[in-house]
Parts: sequence; C-alpha cells; structure tokens
Amino acid sequence: AQKVTQAQTEISVVEKEDVTLDCVYETRDTTYYLFWYKQPPSGELVFLIRRNSFDEQNEISGRYSWNFQKSTSSFNFTITASQVVDSAVYFCALSVKTGTASKLTFGTGTRLQVTL
Amino acid sequence: DTAVSQTPKYLVTQMGNDKSIKCEQNLGHDTMYWYKQDSKKFLKIMFSYNNKELIINETVPNRFSPKSPDKAHLNLHINSLELGDSAVYFCASSLALVGSPLHFGNGTRLTVT
Repeated sequence: AQKVTQAQTEISVVEKEDVTLDCVYETRDTTYYLFWYKQPPSGELVFLIRRNSFDEQNEISGRYSWNFQKSTSSFNFTITASQVVDSAVYFCALSVKTGTASKLTFGTGTRLQVTL
Repeated sequence: DTAVSQTPKYLVTQMGNDKSIKCEQNLGHDTMYWYKQDSKKFLKIMFSYNNKELIINETVPNRFSPKSPDKAHLNLHINSLELGDSAVYFCASSLALVGSPLHFGNGTRLTVT
C-alpha cells in the first residue's frame, strides 16, 4: 500500500520569507511518480510538478524548487521569497500503476499562509 | 476553453434524494477519475474509468454509481444521499500512462441537509 505523509498541517510566514513544505512517502513499488498540487482558496487543484522514481535531479522553476531524495523517501518543496499569492493548501501525492490508470494517493496537505 | 468541466459547481439537497454530477473533458484523455475531498481537505480516489471501462473502484458505498457514456464523460450518480456524503467531489482526467498528471475539474461542493 502507498502512503504519503505531510507532517506540517499549517505554516505561516511573512512575505519574502523562504518556506519548505515536507513530504515523506512509502511504497514498495520500484517505479513510482511523485507530484505536488496547489489548492488556492478558490478551490481548484493545480498541478505543479511530477517526478519519477528514477530521476533524483532537483528541479527549479522560478521561485519554486523541489528536492527529491530516495534515501529518505522525501520529496520536499521550497518556495523562495514567498508571496501572498502563494497562500494555498499544498498536496504531495504518489502514483503507482494500477491497470491503465495512475492512482494518486494524496497526503493530507499543508496549508500555507503568507502575510504581509 | 475549460479542460475538465464539471457541473453543477454547488449542489444543496436533502437527505434521501438522488443527485448526479456531470463531468466532461476535452483533453483527449483516455482515463477519468472521481475524487472526494472531505471537510478536512483529505482527497481520496473513488473511481477510475479507462475508455468507458471501470478500472478502479475503491471502497465506496454502492449508492455511488459512476457512468461513462464515452471516454470524454464520466458522471457520478448518488442515490439516497446521506449527511456524510457532504464533500467536494472532483473529476479528473489523465493520459492512460503511468505517472501521467491528473488534470482536475473545479469541483462540485455537495451539501446534504
């Protein structure tokens, strides 16, 4: 069975601070994918990034960066110089193959509040 | 152009009623899903269809019945609604490739009174 743990329920930061959202996963599959989704107050779920289990290269996209470490089963997400628009609930998710579908197992989410 | 659209956006109904939520995607994806998000924001998969065939059916009461008339549509019908069914229901679609990201609709907030 798959499991995703986001231990931080809620984080509050002041604008321009850097913040890291933690994600730890469990799976026995050797091939898997990790995702981050953002859910702003408006409620939609926005795909941010996907990583496969064979690619441990870190990734940077603007103010966002992701650190994937198989040795610690972690896929952490850092926002540099946070902005108020970053306020949202962020979900980490794990996908393994189930037939012809990608079954996403989500973590419980981390609510990020960025204030002025 | 909305990629995954679901209707209605809000649904308020009384216990015991039957209701449906519709979902359509124009991304050309073969696989569609229904997820439920509870009041604590926890997201859990309910069903998945690939080209009209049911491939994932999690432990969901049989009052919930998905229907896929074609690969671009996946509707969710709920019979005999209960208070505990109140949640946000998200439709999603993806390519039929492992690891394909899911593209979600904007959700349907169901409130059962």
